[in-house]
Amino acid sequence: GEDVEQSLFLSVREGDSSVINCTYTDSSSTYLYWYKQEPGAGLQLLTYIFSNMDMKQDQRLTVLLNKKDKHLSLRIADTQTGDSAIYFCAESIWENNNDMRFGAGTRLTVKP
Amino acid sequence: DGGITQSPKYLFRKEGQNVTLSCEQNLNHDAMYWYRQDPGQGLRLIYYSQIVNDFQKGDIAEGYSVSREKKESFPLTVTSAQKNPTAFYLCASKEASGSAEQYFGPGTRLTVT
Repeated sequence: GEDVEQSLFLSVREGDSSVINCTYTDSSSTYLYWYKQEPGAGLQLLTYIFSNMDMKQDQRLTVLLNKKDKHLSLRIADTQTGDSAIYFCAESIWENNNDMRFGAGTRLTVKP
Repeated sequence: DGGITQSPKYLFRKEGQNVTLSCEQNLNHDAMYWYRQDPGQGLRLIYYSQIVNDFQKGDIAEGYSVSREKKESFPLTVTSAQKNPTAFYLCASKEASGSAEQYFGPGTRLTVT
């Protein structure tokens, strides 16, 4: 199974907040990431958090990290139709920072 | 205009043919990566290179080969030995292997029939 797990689908109304959740298994993860992928495109780095932090905010995006539960979430405030995409959670491990593990992605659909 | 370019965006090949996917970056990054993406799955690492003239196998290297003769270029060859080559291929780079931020190219969709 996946080392990084995400629910596959999320649907919200425009203007609502979206919360995308992720769990990971490696307690030695150094960085945890959120990427956005639009149809037919590459991955866009949205934000990342160092494992000794528990929160990071960047405009409409808020990342929360619960290291005890190995749970990462991405909250998008005031969700817009342009936020519709697949969101990937990923972790990397300091000892082998070339080893980046991705979840299967959460497809966010924003309804007008 | 800095970034990572991959060409072509779509590629079609007959079974049994080798095909090379291009990845170029002008970000002056040392580390470069190739991933494969299949529908409904996360990305899987094929090969990576931390520095020119050096590269390492990732999780699914069988049936693939790479070279890193120049810092800015990291081409991937999908050989006829790769059993299921049809996929979306993504190239990425980082300033150095210890850096946090990894950036992706736009991808190449390879279809083999």
